[in-house]
Amino acid sequence: GAVVSQHPSRVICKSGTSVKIECRSLDFQATTMFWYRQFPKQSLMLMATSNEGSKATYEQGVEKDKFLINHASLTLSTLTVTSAHPEDSSFYICSAQNQETQYFGPGTRLLVL
Amino acid sequence: AQSVTQPDIHITVSEGASLELRCNYSYGATPYLFWYVQSPGQGLQLLLKYFSGDTLVQGIKGFEAEFKRSQSSFNLRKPSVHWSDAAEYFCAVGALNTGNQFYFGTGTSLTVIP
Repeated sequence: GAVVSQHPSRVICKSGTSVKIECRSLDFQATTMFWYRQFPKQSLMLMATSNEGSKATYEQGVEKDKFLINHASLTLSTLTVTSAHPEDSSFYICSAQNQETQYFGPGTRLLVL
Repeated sequence: AQSVTQPDIHITVSEGASLELRCNYSYGATPYLFWYVQSPGQGLQLLLKYFSGDTLVQGIKGFEAEFKRSQSSFNLRKPSVHWSDAAEYFCAVGALNTGNQFYFGTGTSLTVIP
């Protein structure tokens, strides 16, 4: 139980385009989901907290207009990287909260050329 | 302020040897504590968690961890390491008073030598 999927697993895009990443809780409902960014050999950096039916809460320094988060249902949250640039290349991981535990997706590798 | 410290950036052990990964936390209330494992290019898999009760918790893959309130520690142990245990290990504290935001340690990279 408590499985979280992410799609796509990897994506390559051109600079200036937008990319959408989906995060789904497959066997439970998640009122709250989290989006993280992870740089090579580093820990996870929380970008935003996504709550179903309400606006996401962004961490300090994260541009909400650049990283659009939508949590339209209890099993799906999406992260859209708008007008992506090479510096946005990274590993993005989502998690879904089930009671007090966060369960993580497999991650999405984004490469912006 | 909440924080998690994993003092060991990298650990190398021989296959079959015992393992202990250290985790210290700073939190103003009773913490919810977690250990996750991450293989290269993958997400994080939950190994075990502690909320309350017995301070020695058992997890998957033969791992266990002990909560020691007096030392603010939650060290992860395994009696006999397998080559497949080579990965990155993260300790985390869950903070319910801030919407269950997790505070992660910087991770410990485990190498297993034959």
